[in-house]
Amino acid sequence: DTAVSQTPKYLVTQMGNDKSIKCEQNLGHDTMYWYKQDSKKFLKIMFSYNNKELIINETVPNRFSPKSPDKAHLNLHINSLELGDSAVYFCASRDGGAYEQYFGPGTRLTVT
Amino acid sequence: GQQLNQSPQSMFIQEGEDVSMNCTSSSIFNTWLWYKQDPGEGPVLLIALYKAGELTSNGRLTAQFGITRKDSFLNISASIPSDVGIYFCAGFTYNTNAGKSTFGDGTTLTVKP
Repeated sequence: DTAVSQTPKYLVTQMGNDKSIKCEQNLGHDTMYWYKQDSKKFLKIMFSYNNKELIINETVPNRFSPKSPDKAHLNLHINSLELGDSAVYFCASRDGGAYEQYFGPGTRLTVT
Repeated sequence: GQQLNQSPQSMFIQEGEDVSMNCTSSSIFNTWLWYKQDPGEGPVLLIALYKAGELTSNGRLTAQFGITRKDSFLNISASIPSDVGIYFCAGFTYNTNAGKSTFGDGTTLTVKP
């Protein structure tokens, strides 16, 4: 069983489009994250949710809107996609009492 | 904001050689973590360090939590081809009721058979 899963694995779209990436974890964790990894491999936190509540929002453009329908899911919707949004987006989860984060396999977004 | 500087940025070594990489921060962290990212995958935790001065091993990997709490080191002994990947350090902090890891820039390791 996959612990943290993301769909889709690859996403190619044109500038100006709106797209969503979905994340699910079956670990029973109460905290979930979205990270962006750019072409230089820098891993930057975007958002964190704890029990469906937004906890961290790291100065991400408001074209990015996370949604957590329940503790096991954290989706990322992106409006008006730009070339600079091209990156690999990782979802991660963490149990509240632990430090380790479990990452999904990533979604490679390419905006043309 | 907090910044983690990781060095070296990349390493090209021969199989069997030992590897050292380090991470320095402008801020103090209470927990240091080392992750490895295989190509096409998400990062996976290798070692967690909880106390200043702590030295922890995981197989051929050894990591240390610096005394100043602003740095950490990772050593890999007798490297093998499957050690290839990107190694990230991360400092963990709690902010109100949220925990956050700040990641270093990564060290890309290439091992030549």
